[in-house]
Amino acid sequence: GENVEQHPSTLSVQEGDSAVIKCTYSDSASNYFPWYKQELGKGPQLIIDIRSNVGEKKDQRIAVTLNKTAKHFSLHITETQPEDSAVYFCWAGAGSYQLTFGKGTKLSVIP
Amino acid sequence: ETGVTQSPTHLIKTRGQQVTLRCSSQSGHNTVSWYQQALGQGPQFIFQYYREEENGRGNFPPRFSGLQFPNYSSELNVNALELDDSALYLCASSSNPKPTSVTQYFGPGTRLTVL
Repeated sequence: GENVEQHPSTLSVQEGDSAVIKCTYSDSASNYFPWYKQELGKGPQLIIDIRSNVGEKKDQRIAVTLNKTAKHFSLHITETQPEDSAVYFCWAGAGSYQLTFGKGTKLSVIP
Repeated sequence: ETGVTQSPTHLIKTRGQQVTLRCSSQSGHNTVSWYQQALGQGPQFIFQYYREEENGRGNFPPRFSGLQFPNYSSELNVNALELDDSALYLCASSSNPKPTSVTQYFGPGTRLTVL
């Protein structure tokens, strides 16, 4: 199955700064790359996703970039706010019914 | 908030016991997937149910079993509980079984502690 590595495992930023989380994957057939945010006591929620025919996608302060040649994709959060503090998970897949998540990045935004 | 609900919220069991966890899928969804999330780890896929049939399984032993009902709600059963089964159990519902095609909506999870 797909092997996904996520870095860093923890990230602390000052409010207003940017945060970047990176994931690498192994299966070149992967064509769908979502990012999930998990707040304390809640299940993961999809925040943004990208497909392999697109290099970048933005939604307000959140963006995802994809480099298929290097097999990595990144989540970018600009102008971070305290409510961005959570655990973020990436996923890479190619039609398998099985979601294989990265180990997660705990983001802390310091006011 | 998603329309996916799970019960109970928390559960404490002892080794060797059996447990049943429940999930109500979002309206209009026919697929439920179950995940185990150990502390500090990402969710691990257990299995998926689509139209009342098991439709894929992760690397979990047969003592993990499930059901899906005609209204598409689902149960996860774990027999002969082990200490390592302590985790947050998440269910996710979607409108079809392919996670690359549609968004999966997760419930809040059931925290299982095995003593």
